[in-house]
Amino acid sequence: SQQGEEDPQALSIQEGENATMNCSYKTSINNLQWYRQNSGRGLVHLILIRSNEREKHSGRLRVTLDTSKKSSSLLITASRAADTASYFCATDNQAGTALIFGKGTTLSVSS
Amino acid sequence: DAGVTQSPTHLIKTRGQQVTLRCSPKSGHDTVSWYQQALGQGPQFIFQYYEEEERQRGNFPDRFSGHQFPNYSSELNVNALLLGDSALYLCASSLRAAGIGGNQPQHFGDGTRLSIL
Repeated sequence: SQQGEEDPQALSIQEGENATMNCSYKTSINNLQWYRQNSGRGLVHLILIRSNEREKHSGRLRVTLDTSKKSSSLLITASRAADTASYFCATDNQAGTALIFGKGTTLSVSS
Repeated sequence: DAGVTQSPTHLIKTRGQQVTLRCSPKSGHDTVSWYQQALGQGPQFIFQYYEEEERQRGNFPDRFSGHQFPNYSSELNVNALLLGDSALYLCASSLRAAGIGGNQPQHFGDGTRLSIL
């Protein structure tokens, strides 16, 4: 079963605009991760945020975590065409040994 | 530094057949997890191998089995293939000593696209 649910399912923007994707989950977590998947490729790790952290940055990426609302958001600033991909949030399972993914947000950035 | 490699990249089988997929983890990693990703869905955890033993299993039937070798590489076997087994099969590796699965980034291969006719 899926733990996280991303919103929106699809997002289309112009180059230079910001893109915000949201993730909601159901049960308490230790960590939450965001991954990117280019079409037909594997997943690439973007950011890991721990349950005691509220915000984390990596280059043009900003991730926030609100454990009281069981939600996270991924902000990509100044989007580029190369950011076109599917983005997934993933939480750890009960045993903490594996990841539970949402269905993802498909981002299209046009030039 | 070689990343996670999977073979083959594509495979076509018919219902009832058996298939074996292979994965070599990133250099220095000792834990391998397998995921199934149906079209338009997120990856779903199948199982995880560490020290040549299955350590954790997701909600998949016994038709799905695996193996890990002393060099940490791994195989995923699926018997009695069904149309619903058509998916991208992803392998992810990590280092156990760095923390268990959900506590560290997972390194994914590009997957094997399995099509069942």
